[in-house]
Amino acid sequence: AQTVTQSQPEMSVQEAETVTLSCTYDTSESDYYLFWYKQPPSRQMILVIRQEAYKQQNATENRFSVNFQKAAKSFSLKISDSQLGDAAMYFCAYRSPYSGAGSYQLTFGKGTKLSVIP
Amino acid sequence: DTEVTQTPKHLVMGMTNKKSLKCEQHMGHRAMYWYKQKAKKPPELMFVYSYEKLSINESVPSRFSPECPNSSLLNLHLHALQPEDSALYLCASSQVERDTGELFFGEGSRLTVL
Repeated sequence: AQTVTQSQPEMSVQEAETVTLSCTYDTSESDYYLFWYKQPPSRQMILVIRQEAYKQQNATENRFSVNFQKAAKSFSLKISDSQLGDAAMYFCAYRSPYSGAGSYQLTFGKGTKLSVIP
Repeated sequence: DTEVTQTPKHLVMGMTNKKSLKCEQHMGHRAMYWYKQKAKKPPELMFVYSYEKLSINESVPSRFSPECPNSSLLNLHLHALQPEDSALYLCASSQVERDTGELFFGEGSRLTVL
């Protein structure tokens, strides 16, 4: 079974600074998806960024980028120019390829609570 | 429309009540999910529907009864719940064809069982 580990339960960053959230995972599969989801106090889980394992290039979305190290099974999230609205719980998640059942199971890490200091 | 809409946002019920949670999406997604999330924990998968058929049931107690009446709607019927069932219940949907891998989540229904 796949496992996802986020070793930082809480982190803080000064506004406008850069912060990196860590994630490692364990799998025997060669093809898979990795995600970072953000959950602010408003509760909705919002996709921040997605990485497909077969792509060597690291994904970027505006101020958000990942460092994907497939051999090391590491998938960290870097947030540049941090803003107050970035304060949230961040979950790293793993998804196997299409299972054949027409559905997709996400395995989540335990989350990292990010605080942004004005 | 890229929304998953859940109602009600908040629900308080007694242990003998029967209530339902509703989830709706109009993105044409053919996979829909129920997750349970306790405070400061990640979401836990409960059920998955694929093409309106139940494809995954993660050993959820029978006091939770899912229903998928059509491709846009997902319900979770609640009966004889326990206080430990108090949690945030999240609905999600995803594509099956033209897979992007992404799950789209609703805002959740906060359930309190007295």
